[in-house]
This record gives sequence, C-alpha cells and structure tokens, in this order.
Amino acid sequence: EAGVVQSPRYKIIEKKQPVAFWCNPISGHNTLYWYRQNLGQGPELLIRYENEEAVDDSQLPKDRFSAERLKGVDSTLKIQPAELGDSAVYLCASTRGTDTQYFGPGTRLTVL
Amino acid sequence: AQTVTQSQPEMSVQEAETVTLSCTYDTSESDYYLFWYKQPPSRQMILVIRQEAYKQQNATENRFSVNFQKAAKSFSLKISDSQLGDAAMYFCAYAEASNYQLIWGAGTKLIIKP
Repeated sequence: EAGVVQSPRYKIIEKKQPVAFWCNPISGHNTLYWYRQNLGQGPELLIRYENEEAVDDSQLPKDRFSAERLKGVDSTLKIQPAELGDSAVYLCASTRGTDTQYFGPGTRLTVL
Repeated sequence: AQTVTQSQPEMSVQEAETVTLSCTYDTSESDYYLFWYKQPPSRQMILVIRQEAYKQQNATENRFSVNFQKAAKSFSLKISDSQLGDAAMYFCAYAEASNYQLIWGAGTKLIIKP
C-alpha cells in the first residue's frame, strides 16, 4: 500500500511570493490533515478535512493561507503572500475515520 | 485543555543498551489514545506505538514498549537493544476518542552512541 505522498520535498522562495503544497493521501483514507512544524517543536494542526469538507480550520491563518480538497482525495495548501515566519516543514497526514494518522515526508519551506 | 509534556529535550544511550523516554499528559477525559511517533532527519513522522486508554495491558512492538500509568497520566517509551537507526526525535501525542485530534509534546531528541 502506498503511503502519503507530498510534493515538493523542498521549496525556497522570496518573501511575498506565492507557494503551494500538494498531498495525496493513502487510498481509502477519508480524513486528511495539514500540519505546520517549526524547528524543534511538535506539529501544529492547520486544517482537517473529512472527505471534501473542512471540519476544523480554526488554526489556519486565513488572511494568507488557503486549502482545498476537491473530490475528497488530493489536497493543496497555498500561502499567498509568504512571509519570513512561514519557514517551516508542512506535513500532511491521513486516516480512515478515527484511526491512527499516517504522515507524508513533508515539505520544507524556506522563505528568504 | 489537554496538554502533553516531554521533560527530556535530549537523551543519549549506548548502542545495544536500554533507554526510557518520559511523557506526561493532562486530561479530564476517560477515553483517549496515546502515541509515540519517531521523526528521523528525513522528517517523515513514523508511528512507533499506540495505546488505547481503556486497555490496561501495555502496548509492545518488538523492541519498543510503553509503561502506561493511567492514574498518574504517564506514558513512557522504553527502547531495548538500542540501534543506530533509532536515532531521531521522538514525539508523544494524545488524542481524544471523540475527535481524534492529536495534541503533541515538544519532542525528545534521542542520540545513539556507537
């Protein structure tokens, strides 16, 4: 069974530029999570999807961050415009209902 | 609000020895799950072990085992016969059974000395 796929693995951009991250969850997993992980800290939940519905986006900075999960499978997280403080690892995880979360390899974003 | 505390920012152990990583949590719920995840330099967050709060028996996975003390709200991870590949950040996490949202500790960096 293929794991959670994320791309790109690394991204370096100038501040004020837009950036997008893509996640393909494990087949059959209806719940998808986006996390942000700053250096030396645990992950911080940004948004949770149940199928195509965002059921918890309370921690998503909506002025610059947006996310979508069309058709309840793949998901894209976008930042526009990026700020220096957005430099972090962005993790995607998926699960089938209320079960263990499985994580992708993450995308390391560096904003210069 | 639920919190998870890992009081050891860094631990080191000699290869082949045993090491225990500490984790405490705070909750008023009775039904929940606890996890240990491993994050090597590759950044992939890998599940090490999972414990359901309603189970009295401590979970084990090969060289990894937990000491789950529900009354004390303690959930430590024991790694036996430590191997170089065990070197990583280890995160303790808690999830309520109702919504399964993970609450994370700050992590413990485990160093394996050859």
